[in-house]
Amino acid sequence: AQSVTQPDIHITVSEGASLELRCNYSYGATPYLFWYVQSPGQGLQLLLKYFSGDTLVQGIKGFEAEFKRSQSSFNLRKPSVHWSDAAEYFCAVVLPNAGKSTFGDGTTLTVKP
Amino acid sequence: NAGVTQTPKFRVLKTGQSMTLLCAQDMNHEYMYWYRQDPGMGLRLIHYSVGEGTTAKGEVPDGYNVSRLKKQNFLLGLESAAPSQTSVYFCASTRRTPNEKLFFGSGTQLSVL
Repeated sequence: AQSVTQPDIHITVSEGASLELRCNYSYGATPYLFWYVQSPGQGLQLLLKYFSGDTLVQGIKGFEAEFKRSQSSFNLRKPSVHWSDAAEYFCAVVLPNAGKSTFGDGTTLTVKP
Repeated sequence: NAGVTQTPKFRVLKTGQSMTLLCAQDMNHEYMYWYRQDPGMGLRLIHYSVGEGTTAKGEVPDGYNVSRLKKQNFLLGLESAAPSQTSVYFCASTRRTPNEKLFFGSGTQLSVL
């Protein structure tokens, strides 16, 4: 079945440590790829997106993501995490010619002091 | 700019009652979406609209109806609320195509007793 998977439900990292959140998709065609962040009690905010071209994309708040076609992945990374990065992160895909986004189940990030 | 505004922010219903959630956007966006968010299940699409006067079913449309009589408004109705509809509801919009960034409202917390 076609899907988008975030394998890690919850990740804890220490402040200043590096971060990688995983996202895999299972579709015949390469979808448009997005990462969103949700702070408690808020709606989602776009971090970055990939449509085509350079497979390493830069986003807001120091985040980046790398598209790997061979692995059907779009992992989110940050070199040094700040306490304010604690939030829930969602990977989303849009298939070409589809009218909607499909979201992964999310990864909750906890940042230890 | 207000962006995407949802009303109400909180609501408690009894089983069998009806209600309408209002989503309004002031960005002249074509596409509008209603999602529900439940713990561990990410965001699931209920219904969406690709333009004024149009609606389409998403992943979990049962028990909900929608209308888009005006381009700026997208209404979500519950005709006979059930406890399974207890959730946080998010409205979102994109400017011209579904491949673009989603703009989210701040959500409506609905409890059905």
